[in-house]
Amino acid sequence: QLQLQGSGPGVVKPSETLSLTCSVSGGSISSSNYYWGWIRQSPGTGLEWIANIYYGGSKYYNPSLKSRVTISVDTSKNQFSLKLSSVTAADTAVYYCVRVPDPGGDPWYFDSWGQGTLVTVSS
Amino acid sequence: SYELTQPPSVSVSPGQTARITCSGDALPKQSAYWYQQKPGQAPMLVIYKDTERPSGIPERFSGSSSGTTVTLTISGVQAEDEAAYYCQSADTSGTYPVVFGGGTKLTVL
Repeated sequence: QLQLQGSGPGVVKPSETLSLTCSVSGGSISSSNYYWGWIRQSPGTGLEWIANIYYGGSKYYNPSLKSRVTISVDTSKNQFSLKLSSVTAADTAVYYCVRVPDPGGDPWYFDSWGQGTLVTVSS
Repeated sequence: SYELTQPPSVSVSPGQTARITCSGDALPKQSAYWYQQKPGQAPMLVIYKDTERPSGIPERFSGSSSGTTVTLTISGVQAEDEAAYYCQSADTSGTYPVVFGGGTKLTVL
């Protein structure tokens, strides 16, 4: 069964870069049927898509975060990663790594979620 | 930006039918998806491509679409269905490929 396990620092200082990694088990990140992505949820609020990546390297970003976000994939480790630069308190959130089925022309959607990693931006 | 609008809350008694709506201008042309999120847990996909149910999701969960509104229907609501529900879709221009609604808290009385 597919499992997504996010990891990274729980506290990041303002203006620094948030770095998270998602380890995929029970399936290959190099599957042609899936993309991989990140979604965040600020405390008590809704969901915000951050970015998606295909194992071949194609990347897709939320326009509102694009200038600060980098998503990458390491097929040798079956992992993908997120970097968010110049963080502020507004970036405090639970960050979820997700699997994204190839929607075949429909909007992307998310059929498997990691447990979530709480990242707090604080000095 | 593109927005999907959901009611903040819906309340039903056990055994009744709950209907949660999601409105957006692009919904006549774009598929919609629904997620259930219980406190302290990650969201879980319950409906995809407007009406399809992933394996393992109970048959009491169904989705429908009419014009600019999609609806998640939970028939014979059970206490375990109390959760927040989020719709998700995209705009038609490609500028916003993933948009979530604000979420609806379903309370089982």
